[in-house]
Amino acid sequence: KAGVTQTPRYLIKTRGQQVTLSCSPISGHRSVSWYQQTPGQGLQFLFEYFSETQRNKGNFPGRFSGRQFSNSRSEMNVSTLELGDSALYLCASSWRGIQGTSEQFFGPGTRLTVL
Amino acid sequence: DQQVKQNSPSLSVQEGRISILNCDYTNSMFDYFLWYKKYPAEGPTFLISISSIKDKNEDGRFTVFLNKSAKHLSLHIVPSQPGDSAVYFCAAGGNEKLTFGTGTRLTIIP
Repeated sequence: KAGVTQTPRYLIKTRGQQVTLSCSPISGHRSVSWYQQTPGQGLQFLFEYFSETQRNKGNFPGRFSGRQFSNSRSEMNVSTLELGDSALYLCASSWRGIQGTSEQFFGPGTRLTVL
Repeated sequence: DQQVKQNSPSLSVQEGRISILNCDYTNSMFDYFLWYKKYPAEGPTFLISISSIKDKNEDGRFTVFLNKSAKHLSLHIVPSQPGDSAVYFCAAGGNEKLTFGTGTRLTIIP
């Protein structure tokens, strides 16, 4: 079974630009969650999508948005990029979502650098 | 407000010895806990989990202990192997959210 894939793996943008990241979950998984990883902050939860609906959202500004398609693939968009948005963005998929002890399977991440 | 804390950013352990990674949390509403391992340039991979109704869960060389009264979680790796060198994240779940700690870099010394 193919794992979670994320594209692109690396991205360099400048302040004020916008960016779209893509995540393809494991086949059959209906939940996709997005996380931001920065040094010293660990993994910060952005949002979770389940069957095309945003089910939960973390404490990030409205510049961060996402969506999920009928094939469970998900995109995350960040508008008006700031230097502090430089981070590793990880997506994770699971069958049931992050309720209960259902484990999540992570992709390799997209490394975003904002100059 | 860091609800899940891993106070040791790094830990070095001799090969063959026990590695103990610690995690503290503040929110008593968390009802399950997980440990993930992360190698460079890869996403985190699930290691082991524990429900709040248990105080211990074992899987091979990995054991997770939960002390609810102290709001403390620990991961024991016995015996430690060079391939265990990685960053370890604890995570706490509840209210349909997973909250991660900041990670501990474990280095196993041959």
